[in-house]
Amino acid sequence: TQLLEQSPQFLSIQEGENLTVYCNSSSVFSSLQWYRQEPGEGPVLLVTVVTGGEVKKLKRLTFQFGDARKDSSLHITAAQPGDTGLYLCAGLGGNTGKLIFGQGTTLQVKP
Amino acid sequence: ETGVTQTPRHLVMGMTNKKSLKCEQHLGHNAMYWYKQSAKKPLELMFVYNFKEQTENNSVPSRFSPECPNSSHLFLHLHTLQPEDSALYLCASSQMSGGTQYFGPGTRLLVL
Repeated sequence: TQLLEQSPQFLSIQEGENLTVYCNSSSVFSSLQWYRQEPGEGPVLLVTVVTGGEVKKLKRLTFQFGDARKDSSLHITAAQPGDTGLYLCAGLGGNTGKLIFGQGTTLQVKP
Repeated sequence: ETGVTQTPRHLVMGMTNKKSLKCEQHLGHNAMYWYKQSAKKPLELMFVYNFKEQTENNSVPSRFSPECPNSSHLFLHLHTLQPEDSALYLCASSQMSGGTQYFGPGTRLLVL
């Protein structure tokens, strides 16, 4: 069974701080996606990473896919209250074609 | 029209009621999905439809019955649910099965 472990599960920081969220697995994924979900809404796709070692930037967010395509990280620079939400990583199983979700990281950025 | 819409957004039902959730996608996708999201648990895939055909049933109890009349619409028929079925039910679609998925806003279901 493919599993994705996200850490930390909860993070509360002050505006302006930096943070990193990790997504780890013992399985290889053909791609990995990061979503952000606000209360009462569905997850919104932030990025898809496909190539091992790939780094993608989205304004203050930096996403990295591990060389072996088993793990990923999301780094946020100078966090803002608008970054508050649930961050989900999801790996696409190469054999199954199914998305496997991590349990999520709840981020709270206080002004 | 936004990409993936779901109705109703909120639903309260008794254990003996029958209700249906509706999902519609305006993205021209061919695959649609139902997920269940419970507090502090990863999203659980329930069903997958590809070109209107069900390709995945992730051991979902028969009190949940999906229907996909065409590639743009997906329903989840509910009957004799249990309180533990209370959750956020999310619909998603992708161009093809296994592609990048786009989610709807979800239906918050409370079973009393």
